[in-house]
Amino acid sequence: EDQVTQSPEALRLQEGESSSLNCSYTVSGLRGLFWYRQDPGKGPEFLFTLYSAGEEKEKERLKATLTKKESFLHITAPKPEDSATYLCAVQVDAASKLTFGTGTRLQVTL
Amino acid sequence: GAVVSQHPSWVICKSGTSVKIECRSLDFQATTMFWYRQFPKQSLMLMATSNEGSKATYEQGVEKDKFLINHASLTLSTLTVTSAHPEDSSFYICSGLAGPVGQFFGPGTRLTVL
Repeated sequence: EDQVTQSPEALRLQEGESSSLNCSYTVSGLRGLFWYRQDPGKGPEFLFTLYSAGEEKEKERLKATLTKKESFLHITAPKPEDSATYLCAVQVDAASKLTFGTGTRLQVTL
Repeated sequence: GAVVSQHPSWVICKSGTSVKIECRSLDFQATTMFWYRQFPKQSLMLMATSNEGSKATYEQGVEKDKFLINHASLTLSTLTVTSAHPEDSSFYICSGLAGPVGQFFGPGTRLTVL
């Protein structure tokens, strides 16, 4: 059975304090790994798609990396507006269905 | 990025009534749309996959007669919760598949069944 595990469950950072979020996966065949940001009461907002081990993508203060077993979302010098729940999801079949992890709730304080 | 809308954004209904939620892709055509349910502090759980012009495919444990899905056009899918009960109260989110880029999500619909 495909599994996606995110850690930590919650993370509190001070503004400017860089850190990384982890997404570990056990799947039969990875077609893509997706990172989303979700604010309370809203739908997920697309951040990145990674397809193969060694791939990296960046957007502002965020950088996503992928290995054969896990993905990291690195947050450099975070700001309070980066506070949100970060979700990772894996696609394993041609039907494009996603299996989501439980998310990491990030809080960035002044 | 691709934009998906949902209507209504929230709805309160009495137990036993039916509620329809609309999901529209505004700037792209979505031959495939997905419906998810999210309970408080939990992640998204896929309910069904909706393909334009054909019957929806439901995930294990999701009652197809209770959650009716219609995908009548390339930009519109609807989810009808029939005979709603308090345990159906949840946050329902749809997404549209925008080619190889992946899924883009709507803002969600908060359903409260009294």
